[in-house]
Amino acid sequence: NAGVTQTPKFRVLKTGQSMTLLCAQDMNHEYMYWYRQDPGMGLRLIHYSVGEGTTAKGEVPDGYNVSRLKKQNFLLGLESAAPSQTSVYFCASSTQDRVQPQHFGDGTRLSIL
Amino acid sequence: AQSVTQPDIHITVSEGASLELRCNYSYGATPYLFWYVQSPGQGLQLLLKYFSGDTLVQGIKGFEAEFKRSQSSFNLRKPSVHWSDAAEYFCAVGETSGSRLTFGEGTQLTVNP
Repeated sequence: NAGVTQTPKFRVLKTGQSMTLLCAQDMNHEYMYWYRQDPGMGLRLIHYSVGEGTTAKGEVPDGYNVSRLKKQNFLLGLESAAPSQTSVYFCASSTQDRVQPQHFGDGTRLSIL
Repeated sequence: AQSVTQPDIHITVSEGASLELRCNYSYGATPYLFWYVQSPGQGLQLLLKYFSGDTLVQGIKGFEAEFKRSQSSFNLRKPSVHWSDAAEYFCAVGETSGSRLTFGEGTQLTVNP
């Protein structure tokens, strides 16, 4: 049982390059989330989705785009990477029931030079 | 808007000693509260949650937390710390609608032998 899987695990980009982070969950969860984690700032929500074909902005959405074409996948895109986007990115998923916890992937460490 | 504060950035305890990690929240209604733990290079794992009922909740790995509405706190405790408890701990509060979480900044726990 894989849970939430993120690919890639590590990536180094140059400023201005683009890339897509993939999140896949096998728990049939409706909700999916993308967070970034920076030292001393906890996890901040970038974008989230409450179902296939829907997305919404979180706390820090600028510079990122997302898509949820299939229920099990949630993609995070950086169109033109900037050094300020160097971070560890976490994907999570959950059911619609707000008392149920979010399940997290192991993270993607992204460095932008 | 909801918010979570973890006043202690870093705590060091000796193995076998008791532990208390502080968490204060700001939320207009009855909060949904969570504690997560993150080991190095890993995603977040749920320790325990509170959404109603008994204000003292038990979690995994021997952890417990007490919800105190009058103090807007949800402190995490463990009677006797093990070296394997060294990790970063995050407190989070859930929204009234949906499953969005707001995280605290995290507390890094070091355990001395």
